[in-house]
Amino acid sequence: AQSVAQPEDQVNVAEGNPLTVKCTYSVSGNPYLFWYVQYPNRGLQFLLKYITGDNLVKGSYGFEAEFNKSQTSFHLKKPSALVSDSALYFCAVSPVGAGNMLTFGGGTRLMVKP
Amino acid sequence: GAGVSQSPSNKVTEKGKDVELRCDPISGHTALYWYRQRLGQGLEFLIYFQGNSAPDKSGLPSDRFSAERTGESVSTLTIQRTQQEDSAVYLCASSLGQGGNQPQHFGDGTRLSIL
Repeated sequence: AQSVAQPEDQVNVAEGNPLTVKCTYSVSGNPYLFWYVQYPNRGLQFLLKYITGDNLVKGSYGFEAEFNKSQTSFHLKKPSALVSDSALYFCAVSPVGAGNMLTFGGGTRLMVKP
Repeated sequence: GAGVSQSPSNKVTEKGKDVELRCDPISGHTALYWYRQRLGQGLEFLIYFQGNSAPDKSGLPSDRFSAERTGESVSTLTIQRTQQEDSAVYLCASSLGQGGNQPQHFGDGTRLSIL
């Protein structure tokens, strides 16, 4: 069975600094990987996905993520954080060929301070 | 509307009552999912519908939980004889097709509180 680990419950960063939110996964075979963001009292919003090809994926709001197969990681990054980026971030994995089933990590709360 | 719509947005009910939650997916999305999110936690998968195929019910926590979907339209999640541990946000999502590479689009959820 697949699993996703987000080792940090919370990440604190100053506005304007780069941010990284970590994600590692375990899956049989090749993965599809996703990042979602959740603002208070809202559902999850899709940020970006890795399907195949270039290991660096660019998504919404200036976010990007790097797929590293050898380290089974898919860390979310942004070069310059904004206070409005403060939210809950979820990493998710789906094994290739296994249908639409997503397994989510436990989430990481990102706090960007002015 | 353009997005996934869920109703009600909030529901407060007494222990032991039945509740019904509704999800209206994005038009044309054949796949529909229900998740539960307890306070401060990640998402627990409940049930998955794909077109006219038999649903994947493997995530339903007990036989008090059931869900229906007619064709590729509205879905309802029913919880019978509610318990306090059922208090959570129930999220619905939909996606195009059957490929695992399709992102899921989420509604804003129904916040269920059992007194």
